[in-house]
Amino acid sequence: DIQMTQSPSSLSASVGDRVTITCQASQDISNYLNWYQQKPGKAPKLLIYDASNLETGVPSRFSGSGSGTDFTFTISSLQPEDIATYYCQQYDNLPPKFTFGPGTKVDIK
Amino acid sequence: EVQLVESGGGLVQPGGSLRLSCAASGFTFSSYSMNWVRQAPGKGLEWVSYISSSSSTIYYADSVKGRFTISRDNAKNSLYLQMNSLRAEDTAVYYCARDEYYYDSSQDVWGKGTTVTVSS
Repeated sequence: DIQMTQSPSSLSASVGDRVTITCQASQDISNYLNWYQQKPGKAPKLLIYDASNLETGVPSRFSGSGSGTDFTFTISSLQPEDIATYYCQQYDNLPPKFTFGPGTKVDIK
Repeated sequence: EVQLVESGGGLVQPGGSLRLSCAASGFTFSSYSMNWVRQAPGKGLEWVSYISSSSSTIYYADSVKGRFTISRDNAKNSLYLQMNSLRAEDTAVYYCARDEYYYDSSQDVWGKGTTVTVSS
């Protein structure tokens, strides 16, 4: 099975800062990589699909890049409402169909 | 409004059974693949099971294979998860989530979740 790692596990940044999270797959997954935001007590929300495509309605300060085994998620200017845990997710056509990374918790400094 | 509403969670003893339901509305349920995703207290997200729109393809995580059964009733716009031989480690919030339409490659709509607690 493909394993997903994320770094850092948590970070604290100031409003307006550029925030970057990395996700690494244990083997080549092409661009089969999504990013989700989960606010405390809420369900996850899809932000980025296929590594770099912004989901409809998601603010443009969120972006994603990468392919193969190394991926990056960026918030260009951190806002107070971005406080959340962010998860990467790889998908496949065979089981396990979806695998989540361990998550990165983002706080305001 | 596109909506998923889970129900059926609760407290169950180890070894017991529980059936979760997910009621879909606001979209053509029969056209979409669906998933169950869970989150143990204070932990990350874990994909549990997938079912295609026609129920022809079903997948499970190794952690629940042989104990959980996913199913759907397109006439009732409903998704189900039958959970047997429950263990303490199955304690989690269980989310119902819709796959995006074209490639089943991401979950674009989520319910609010239902809580399952396995404890004696």
